[in-house]
Amino acid sequence: GEDVEQSLFLSVREGDSSVINCTYTDSSSTYLYWYKQEPGAGLQLLTYIFSNMDMKQDQRLTVLLNKKDKHLSLRIADTQTGDSAIYFCAESDNDMRFGAGTRLTVKP
Amino acid sequence: SQTIHQWPATLVQPVGSPLSLECTVEGTSNPNLYWYRQAAGRGLQLLFYSVGIGQISSEVPQNLSASRPQDRQFILSSKKLLLSDSGFYLCAWSGGGSYEQYFGPGTRLTVT
Repeated sequence: GEDVEQSLFLSVREGDSSVINCTYTDSSSTYLYWYKQEPGAGLQLLTYIFSNMDMKQDQRLTVLLNKKDKHLSLRIADTQTGDSAIYFCAESDNDMRFGAGTRLTVKP
Repeated sequence: SQTIHQWPATLVQPVGSPLSLECTVEGTSNPNLYWYRQAAGRGLQLLFYSVGIGQISSEVPQNLSASRPQDRQFILSSKKLLLSDSGFYLCAWSGGGSYEQYFGPGTRLTVT
């Protein structure tokens, strides 16, 4: 079956950039997403990118897509303590598949 | 604007007791509705999805069932809970020809 993989943990210092990586196997993915989950809460859609795009920028967030390598990344510039959360990568064609989530810890 | 509600937020139930978790969506009609379970260190597991009233698809065999008695209401149930049913349950909706899903706040279920 199709898989979405992410590393489980990332730790950065406040003010640094964070880069969260994701790989997927489904070559027919139409959209790719990043969700943020704060402790004890539901998932919040952060951003998404259509599969024919290479990059999307939204304020401090930059999404890069390498469709050939099936690699998606989320860069958070000037990371703040409020960015500490679990970040889920997801991809969809007809169904939606999620990675296991990357726990981002931001140290002051 | 659209909103999605889940209740209760937390629930502690003994093994063998019944379960009913409710999810409702406001501000949209005929949404696709989803129930997920989240386990620590693992991705979201899709349990059920529904494209309309009374239409339920089950992704994995399990001790749970789902129902959609109204267009914007989705219920997750069990007749007898197992310890392994403990987890964080998320309801989500999508619609308007769009793929992205929007999630509710979740229910933390602990089976003792």
